[in-house]
Amino acid sequence: DADVTQTPRNRITKTGKRIMLECSQTKGHDRMYWYRQDPGLGLRLIYYSFDVKDINKGEISDGYSVSRQAQAKFSLSLESAIPNQTALYFCATLDTKRPETQYFGPGTRLLVL
Amino acid sequence: GQSLEQPSEVTAVEGAIVQINCTYQTSGFYGLSWYQQHDGGAPTFLSYNGLDGLEETGRFSSFLSRSDSYGYLLLQELQMKDSASYFCAVRDMGSARQLTFGSGTQLTVLP
Repeated sequence: DADVTQTPRNRITKTGKRIMLECSQTKGHDRMYWYRQDPGLGLRLIYYSFDVKDINKGEISDGYSVSRQAQAKFSLSLESAIPNQTALYFCATLDTKRPETQYFGPGTRLLVL
Repeated sequence: GQSLEQPSEVTAVEGAIVQINCTYQTSGFYGLSWYQQHDGGAPTFLSYNGLDGLEETGRFSSFLSRSDSYGYLLLQELQMKDSASYFCAVRDMGSARQLTFGSGTQLTVLP
């Protein structure tokens, strides 16, 4: 079984709709991250969380919100989706004993029409 | 803030050696990581340099020079399956709680 899972894997939605992307992990890591990836722009950090009560904005948090429901679950919401949020979204965890290493989920491909 | 520069594309033939460079600017510095991503897949950790010098992991090696703010990933005995994007990433003292990724280098291995 995958250590970091994301649902859905693919999603098509319309402008103005609210959607939620979910991430679960079985690695037991406290730190979790949401990134988006656009062609040629690498990975950009949206939000990150160190535990259920510690949530921080990343480089590109506008238009997004997150919820850390438990150590193992970290959800990303687009309150009112817009076409330029079309991207590949990755969830990741980090082992504080090896902070140079992040473990990524399989990604969610989102298309906003 | 942090910035990283790496070439956007590299092409090499099967069996060859290729080097992917990464230069960085940070307010402080903990170390340089490398990740591999196959098309549409999840990035996976390859290598980390916290100190100057060469780290070797099988066919892959990574090098760091702190004085030059420079590192590279060396891939030897290239195989078709090495065709992927490669990202360097830094964890610096200013934002020690997160990694910042470069834009990635698309490696194409030709037969």
